[in-house]
Amino acid sequence: QQPVQSPQAVILREGEDAVINCSSSKALYSVHWYRQKHGEAPVFLMILLKGGEQKGHEKISASFNEKKQQSSLYLTASQLSYSGTYFCGTEILKGGSEKLVFGKGTKLTVNP
Amino acid sequence: EAQVTQNPRYLITVTGKKLTVTCSQNMNHEYMSWYRQDPGLGLRQIYYSMNVEVTDKGDVPEGYKVSRKEKRNFPLILESPSPNQTSLYFCASALSQGFSEQYFGPGTRLTVT
Repeated sequence: QQPVQSPQAVILREGEDAVINCSSSKALYSVHWYRQKHGEAPVFLMILLKGGEQKGHEKISASFNEKKQQSSLYLTASQLSYSGTYFCGTEILKGGSEKLVFGKGTKLTVNP
Repeated sequence: EAQVTQNPRYLITVTGKKLTVTCSQNMNHEYMSWYRQDPGLGLRQIYYSMNVEVTDKGDVPEGYKVSRKEKRNFPLILESPSPNQTSLYFCASALSQGFSEQYFGPGTRLTVT
């Protein structure tokens, strides 16, 4: 029941935009986004709750479409520092309790 | 400084030799969790703990044990490691499981030969 992230990898030039999608077949309570740079631990970006809200973090924003069970991460005017692997985590109901399940990640490379 | 620490950072061991990876947080968080990260598979949860003395299995618990005797510590125990447990392990903590930012430790790279 891992959420499905797409694309698996994307290569950009500095200044270009990108969208990373995260879909789940299970009903979602919330969606978490993390970024992991090479050789480092994942770092929190944002959490989106039910209600279709959109949140922002620097030039990175995200939306959560509860009806479609999907979240999208938008990276605008990408910078070299945005390179890394992006993980979404979806909070689902499993075994009577809420659990956070991560996707396999989307590797983003930003070139000069 | 608020942080999650793990020890050791790197470990090479042999099949069957019991080992413990320690995890400690200084943020008074209720929730702690262990993940393993393998190429192409993302972060998979091994065990988690909602509070002291309360632990539960994640998605890949086989071959692992945990305990939560104190709020700040959440060690991961491999009683009889096997080569398929070679992986990068992360400990994380949060105020609560849901709607709460998770803070990850620096990771422990384990190789079982």
